[in-house]
Amino acid sequence: DTGVSQDPRHKITKRGQNVTFRCDPISEHNRLYWYRQTLGQGPEFLTYFQNEAQLEKSRLLSDRFSAERPKGSFSTLEIQRTEQGDSAMYLCASSSVRYTEAFFGQGTRLTVV
Amino acid sequence: KQEVTQIPAALSVPEGENLVLNCSFTDSAIYNLQWFRQDPGKGLTSLLLIQSSQREQTSGRLNASLDKSSGRSTLYIAASQPGDSATYLCAPHSGFGNEKLTFGTGTRLTIIP
Repeated sequence: DTGVSQDPRHKITKRGQNVTFRCDPISEHNRLYWYRQTLGQGPEFLTYFQNEAQLEKSRLLSDRFSAERPKGSFSTLEIQRTEQGDSAMYLCASSSVRYTEAFFGQGTRLTVV
Repeated sequence: KQEVTQIPAALSVPEGENLVLNCSFTDSAIYNLQWFRQDPGKGLTSLLLIQSSQREQTSGRLNASLDKSSGRSTLYIAASQPGDSATYLCAPHSGFGNEKLTFGTGTRLTIIP
């Protein structure tokens, strides 16, 4: 394992459909973060996990969004009833312990049509 | 609330020149600051992590400085190359119970061959 892996890389969905993204962090990294990035903007924080515990959620994470990290390994981010405003790059990052270097995956580009 | 500003928003320089990218942040109570590069449509690549107790950190042709009290960091790139063309993002880590990175909108750098 040489880095953070995200799947899929691209997703096109119709408005109203549900989508799920997966993130595999670097092995033994206990911190896992989700960010969202829209065109021309910097990434915005969504949520983070310490092992399997979800410790913080941004107010950007509406009720339609849910994230899980069962067993403290990979994480999933689900968006229910997608809207066109959900179109963005969803980025996952991991770090070994708090306040250490964060490593990002290649992202999942979501397009809602 | 931490706010990050990066100036200039875009920069074009001829190959071989040295250049400086600027980052300012409003809350000086940071734990560390990380610089990233992002190629179009890709994820973020970590370049340097500079701790709040450090004034400089170097990696190859890159040198990052940090003035925590004034809320400023700079990224110096020596002998620029066309492969350096990318968007550069800085992200202070607020720490002290707030584990997320806060990003600016970045500086889009173009190196002209």
